Amino acid sequence: QSALTQPASVSGSPGQSITISCTGTSSDVGGYNYVSWYQQHPGKAPKLVIYDVSYRPSGVSNRLSGSKSDNTASLTISGLQAEDEADYYCSSHTSSATPVFGTGTKVTVL
Amino acid sequence: EVQLVESGGGLVQPGGSLRLSCAGSGFSFSDYYINWVRQAPGKGLEWVGRMKNKRNIYTTQYVASVKGRFTMSRDDSMNSVYLQMNSLQIEDTAVYYCTRENGYSFDYWGPGALVTVSS
Repeated sequence: QSALTQPASVSGSPGQSITISCTGTSSDVGGYNYVSWYQQHPGKAPKLVIYDVSYRPSGVSNRLSGSKSDNTASLTISGLQAEDEADYYCSSHTSSATPVFGTGTKVTVL
Repeated sequence: EVQLVESGGGLVQPGGSLRLSCAGSGFSFSDYYINWVRQAPGKGLEWVGRMKNKRNIYTTQYVASVKGRFTMSRDDSMNSVYLQMNSLQIEDTAVYYCTRENGYSFDYWGPGALVTVSS
């Protein structure tokens, strides 16, 4: 199972909106509404921020939102803040009944 | 409060073995699948394996690169899952996280255990 494809880096100024893409195939992202997103600050464990494509766990800022179209899922961060600077990973359920992670995206707040 | 804590990491020579433990608390441990996810230094996340719950016959699944070398087990009476790693290779060097699977996502993670394979 190949890793899902994410851009290596995305940047934006405070207050702006950015979108991170996560591209897979019909055997993973496109085949199931089971895409999740994780935020990871340096030296810390990942934190779930979006599950089942577009649902936010309790306590996660509503500035983060998720969507999906065909084989590509997206995470949008609106009103970018310094605390959003982190690595972000997508993950999807696959036809092998196992999960696969994306390659990861480093978000920089300018 | 849900918590997961890994232990057992360390330095091991190539070809050696190591066993990681993951202790859970604050939730009904026996009801959940527990997964291991690793992250090599400076690299991304990689799913390693999953151990299902008793209702699903404690079925295990692994990524291809560790099949036959890594084995997961669990002791629900101790709220613990274990990852036995044999024939370790340099490329197995990583921080290993245990994580609780909830639906099709990982909602709680441990702080991680560093495994270094080096001569």
